Amino acid sequence: DAKTTQPPSMDCAEGRAANLPCNHSTISGNEYVYWYRQIHSQGPQYIIHGLKNNETNEMASLIITEDRKSSTLILPHATLRDTAVYYCIALPFNQGGKLIFGQGTELSVKP
Amino acid sequence: GAGVSQTPSNKVTEKGKYVELRCDPISGHTALYWYRQSLGQGPEFLIYFQGTGAADDSGLPNDRFFAVRPEGSVSTLKIQRTERGDSAVYLCASSQYRSTDTQYFGPGTRLTVL
Repeated sequence: DAKTTQPPSMDCAEGRAANLPCNHSTISGNEYVYWYRQIHSQGPQYIIHGLKNNETNEMASLIITEDRKSSTLILPHATLRDTAVYYCIALPFNQGGKLIFGQGTELSVKP
Repeated sequence: GAGVSQTPSNKVTEKGKYVELRCDPISGHTALYWYRQSLGQGPEFLIYFQGTGAADDSGLPNDRFFAVRPEGSVSTLKIQRTERGDSAVYLCASSQYRSTDTQYFGPGTRLTVL
């Protein structure tokens, strides 16, 4: 079973920031928080990951709470092409890389 | 460079038949993963290779499913005596080496069992 919970769906206006929450209250100290997304009819795509510090790359920012029980993925200026299912995953760094996907959040970016 | 490729993109077969699904990982990637995705669900882990050996096959649903990676690059997922419940998109991913290295996914093979 997935160790994370996410809202099933969210809407965002084009050009605005999309903030996608994830709850991982049972995360272990040896688990990273990973985010992938899956655009319709494509394979999942890596977005970003972190352990306990906030992270930023060209795609997104990841904010992890100090107690590591939750995180937020931020797409700063959402476009229509960001419409996808977003998955938050807790991945141990010493157990082979098996990704356990939950149901994810279906983000709809609207014009 | 080239990404992960999977063939065929679509496969329709009849119940009871045998099928093979192929995955070509990114060149130089030592880790290879197979996942299965049913309609409306997130991908479900099947098996993980490190080099030629299956390091974790705990996700294979039963002994009708088998996967090989004989030379440490291309992998084949084999399904015997297919059942209608095997219908799904089969995804392959590869990564460089470490368990926390980014996994790059292929487009998947859509398998339909009639």
